[in-house]
Amino acid sequence: NAGVTQTPKFQVLKTGQSMTLQCAQDMNHNSMYWYRQDPGMGLRLIYYSASEGTTDKGEVPNGYNVSRLNKREFSLRLESAAPSQTSVYFCASSESKAEANYGYTFGSGTRLTVV
Amino acid sequence: GNSVTQMEGPVTLSEEAFLTINCTYTATGYPSLFWYVQYPGEGLQLLLKATKADDKGSNKGFEATYRKETTSFHLEKGSVQVSDSAVYFCALIGQAGTALIFGKGTTLSVSS
Repeated sequence: NAGVTQTPKFQVLKTGQSMTLQCAQDMNHNSMYWYRQDPGMGLRLIYYSASEGTTDKGEVPNGYNVSRLNKREFSLRLESAAPSQTSVYFCASSESKAEANYGYTFGSGTRLTVV
Repeated sequence: GNSVTQMEGPVTLSEEAFLTINCTYTATGYPSLFWYVQYPGEGLQLLLKATKADDKGSNKGFEATYRKETTSFHLEKGSVQVSDSAVYFCALIGQAGTALIFGKGTTLSVSS
């Protein structure tokens, strides 16, 4: 089915461990985004990629890095996980920034727990 | 900067009751406005949108009207169903926007 695929769906990490969250879309969208969702905080933008080859910081980038591997894939890396990074992470895509008025397509999320 | 404020929940209703979830925004110019819905254990889905003042977005019996004069985009439904139980997010993207900005979400629980 067309859409945004995130892996893994669940992950438990120990403090200090590293991991990469994967995201891929098959809609030929230009723009991709990473958000985190925390209780009572809504969704906050971590990083985004307006087009292949570009990435920019969002509202809460500290502790994360991203890679836009190609047009389809946009990964999020935690180099040294901290308990404050326990959250649900969502990847999303859109045709482009200019076409964002048509809405985003979201993946089903990765639930990450850091102990 | 741009921001979205929506009513805090949870909102608890009986089936067939009328629903209103308030949303107001702060933005320069003319943002586009959205409502997203998140069912338990799932990602967000676009429910409806409006891209200019006085536009009405509608979908699945839900409606919201873009009110520039009151900077509001309240979500309404005339008769809710148990299946409408979910978290609802109001969001905007500015004219020169980078990405969607979300409110904190409102949990709706409908009982039969």
